[in-house]
Amino acid sequence: GAGVSQSPSNKVTEKGKDVELRCDPISGHTALYWYRQSLGQGLEFLIYFQGNSAPDKSGLPSDRFSAERTGGSVSTLTIQRTQQEDSAVYLCASSLYGQGQAQYFGPGTRLLVL
Amino acid sequence: GIQVEQSPPDLILQEGANSTLRCNFSDSVNNLQWFHQNPWGQLINLFYIPSGTKQNGRLSATTVATERYSLLYISSSQTTDSGVYFCAVETHNQGGKLIFGQGTELSVKP
Repeated sequence: GAGVSQSPSNKVTEKGKDVELRCDPISGHTALYWYRQSLGQGLEFLIYFQGNSAPDKSGLPSDRFSAERTGGSVSTLTIQRTQQEDSAVYLCASSLYGQGQAQYFGPGTRLLVL
Repeated sequence: GIQVEQSPPDLILQEGANSTLRCNFSDSVNNLQWFHQNPWGQLINLFYIPSGTKQNGRLSATTVATERYSLLYISSSQTTDSGVYFCAVETHNQGGKLIFGQGTELSVKP
C-alpha cells in the first residue's frame, strides 16, 4: 500500500479482556516497529521486527504483551488481560531495512480500557 | 540510555512569524528524524537528518552531530503548522528503534 495502515483505529474494551491490534507496513519494508504514546510516558518503543524475527522486545511492558509478524508483512500486537494503564495510542512504523533508515508511521490505534 | 531534550516545550506564534525548535541529545546517534504530529495524531515525517542541513519549502533542519543537537526552522508559519513537533534519535547497533523527545507543542494563531 501507499503507507502504513493500522486497524482498528479505535478500540474500547473492558478490563481483563484481550485485544489484538494490527499493522500493515509499507510494501517491501523489512523492518517493523511498535511504539506506544500515552499522556504520562510520551512516545515509547515496544518491539522491533526484522522480517519475521523480533531481535528487540525490550520495550514490552509486561508478559501480557506479545507480538508476531508473518510473511514478513503484517504484524499483530496482542495485549492479554487488559488493564486501565494499557490505555494509550499504539503506533506502528516501518522502514526499508531497519537501522539507519527513515521510519514511516501509521495513524495509530487508540485503545481505551474501561 | 540516551537522553533527548526538546525546547521550548510550548510555543505560541502569530501567523507569519518564524521559529526555531531545538533538540539536544546526550550521545552519538546513527539517525535523527523530525516529525510533526497533527491534531488527529498522525506522525508525519519532516526530515531524516543524521547530519547536515536540509530544506523542504518553509521548513529546514540542521543537525550538528559532533555537538549533539539539531534545529528545526519554521518560516512564515501558518495555522496548519500547529501541532506537536518531535525529535527522535536512533543509537548505534540498536536495530533502528527510535528514542523520542517530549516534543514541542506549537500553536499558530491567525
